Parts: sequence; C-alpha cells; structure tokens
Amino acid sequence: GDSVTQMEGPVTLSEEAFLTINCTYTATGYPSLFWYVQYPGEGLQLLLKATKADDKGSNKGFEATYRKETTSFHLEKGSVQVSDSAVYFCALDAGNNRKLIWGLGTSLAVNP
Amino acid sequence: NAGVTQTPKFQVLKTGQSMTLQCAQDMNHNSMYWYRQDPGMGLRLIYYSASEGTTDKGEVPNGYNVSRLNKREFSLRLESAAPSQTSVYFCASSERLGFPNQPQHFGDGTRLSIL
Repeated sequence: GDSVTQMEGPVTLSEEAFLTINCTYTATGYPSLFWYVQYPGEGLQLLLKATKADDKGSNKGFEATYRKETTSFHLEKGSVQVSDSAVYFCALDAGNNRKLIWGLGTSLAVNP
Repeated sequence: NAGVTQTPKFQVLKTGQSMTLQCAQDMNHNSMYWYRQDPGMGLRLIYYSASEGTTDKGEVPNGYNVSRLNKREFSLRLESAAPSQTSVYFCASSERLGFPNQPQHFGDGTRLSIL
C-alpha cells in the first residue's frame, strides 16, 4: 500500500545552518506530495506542495523537489531561523478516494 | 478569518464521562476529517466525511462516533471516555476527497485529558 517514510528526529541545528529533512514514499500512480508544518501549540499548516514529477514546491525559504526516480520529496532550507522550530510532516495524496497518507513527523529545534 | 474552528480548546474529563468535540469550517469544503495526535505516533485518522451525509471509519475509530450535521459542521463524540483517549484532536477539511492536490486545512486542536 501507499506509505510515507520520514527521517526520525529530533533534528537540532544552529541558526543559519542548512536544513534537510528526508521524505521518501511508495505509491501507485502519480501522487501529489505535501509538506506541512506544526508550530508549538498550533494546528498543522500547509507549507508547500508538488503535484507532478520534477515540480519544485517552495514557501518561506523552504523547498522540496518531487523526484519520481528516487521516490523522494526532501525538504530543504538554506539558512534556518529560531522561528523555524516546529514539527514537519510529509504527506502523500494518491487520489482515487484515498485519504492523505502521513509521515510520522520530524521535530526541528533551531538554537540561537 | 476563514478556516476551521474547533471547540473547546481544552477539556478534562473523568473516565466514563461523555463529550462532543465541535468543528466547523467556512470554506465550503466537501470533505472533513478527525485526527488524533499522540507523541511518537504522528497523526491518526479517526473518522472522515467525504461529503455531507456520509461518514467513514479511519484507522482508529473504536470508542468514537461522528456526525456530519451539515456541510459546515462535523462533530466527534466520546460516549464513555477512557484514559487511552487522552490526546490532541484535530479537525481538518479539504475541498474534495479523492482528488489529488487537495491540501487539508486544520483547526488549532482540542487538548483532551481523561483522568
């Protein structure tokens, strides 16, 4: 069945460091891929998305490229800030009346 | 502001008590969802409603019931609360289930403790 695998956290970085959070997936067909962010005490917010191979989603300095050949959608940011401390979720939507498939989330802590 | 509104934000119950979590969205979305979030387990889908008048079980439906009251509202009921239901509950909505590229919009959550 469809699944999403995220790297385990927590990830701890210093401010201005480079961030990569790995996400790989298995799915039949051509799913859409999403990254959501959950700040402390809040609900999840859509961060970015990509709907077909080689698409790059971007928002707030974060980027992720839909790689069909490696079935990956890794999240990257060139210079993280303390305000980026949150939990990041990768998710997959294969359509066909299937619900979103969620990764377990990766916690990021950015220290000043 | 447009979005998903959940009430209450916090609740403490005793084992065996019942309560209903309320959710409303004003985005004219067809599909609505209830999740629970527990440490180390990510988001788990409890129930969902693909459209007004329909509801279906998710991954962890036992101990819960839902009502899709109308297009806007989707409530979650705990008939006899148990400590294992201590969790953070999120309601979400999306334009339409089964169409890819439909992001879900989340409420701020209900933090529920069962003693």
